[in-house]
Amino acid sequence: KQEVTQIPAALSVPEGENLVLNCSFTDSAIYNLQWFRQDPGKGLTSLLLIQSSQREQTSGRLNASLDKSSGRSTLYIAASQPGDSATYLCAVSPSEAAGNKLTFGGGTRVLVKP
Amino acid sequence: EPEVTQTPSHQVTQMGQEVILRCVPISNHLYFYWYRQILGQKVEFLVSFYNNEISEKSEIFDDQFSVERPDGSNFTLKIRSTKLEDSAMYFCASSELAGELFFGEGSRLTVL
Repeated sequence: KQEVTQIPAALSVPEGENLVLNCSFTDSAIYNLQWFRQDPGKGLTSLLLIQSSQREQTSGRLNASLDKSSGRSTLYIAASQPGDSATYLCAVSPSEAAGNKLTFGGGTRVLVKP
Repeated sequence: EPEVTQTPSHQVTQMGQEVILRCVPISNHLYFYWYRQILGQKVEFLVSFYNNEISEKSEIFDDQFSVERPDGSNFTLKIRSTKLEDSAMYFCASSELAGELFFGEGSRLTVL
């Protein structure tokens, strides 16, 4: 059974510092990995999707890497801003046929202090 | 920008009552999902729906749960006889294929 773990559970940084969020998964047979942002009491917003054949994806200040064989992904957020404060979740899909039957990690709660 | 909308945003019900949570997925999406998040716990997959039938479901999605697409726009989750442990935030989501997943804002269910 796939298990997804995110460490640390919480992170506090001063504004301007780069953020590094880690995600690990136990079964390397994944179809894709997605990173989401969740604000308190809100839904999830998709940030980046990495196919299993890809090594990384970039969107603006966000960059996500994927090392499928070792079961790890890292989300980098450059030059953090107070508006980046949120919980960041990673999730994996087991196969194309399973579609978005995702297994989620517990999230990393980020606080960026002005 | 197209979005997934959910109603109600919050529902309080008595144990044993039936609850229906409603969702309007993004119009050109073909795959629909329900997830839930119990307070302080991970987001969990409940069910996926494609071509008017369930394509995947988790162990959580037992006989007390059902989904329906009663018309061309709505996608509903019904809980037949709610239990205390059904209290959670329920998220509807949709996607084109096995790609980027778009979530609604969630429906908070409180069972007393």
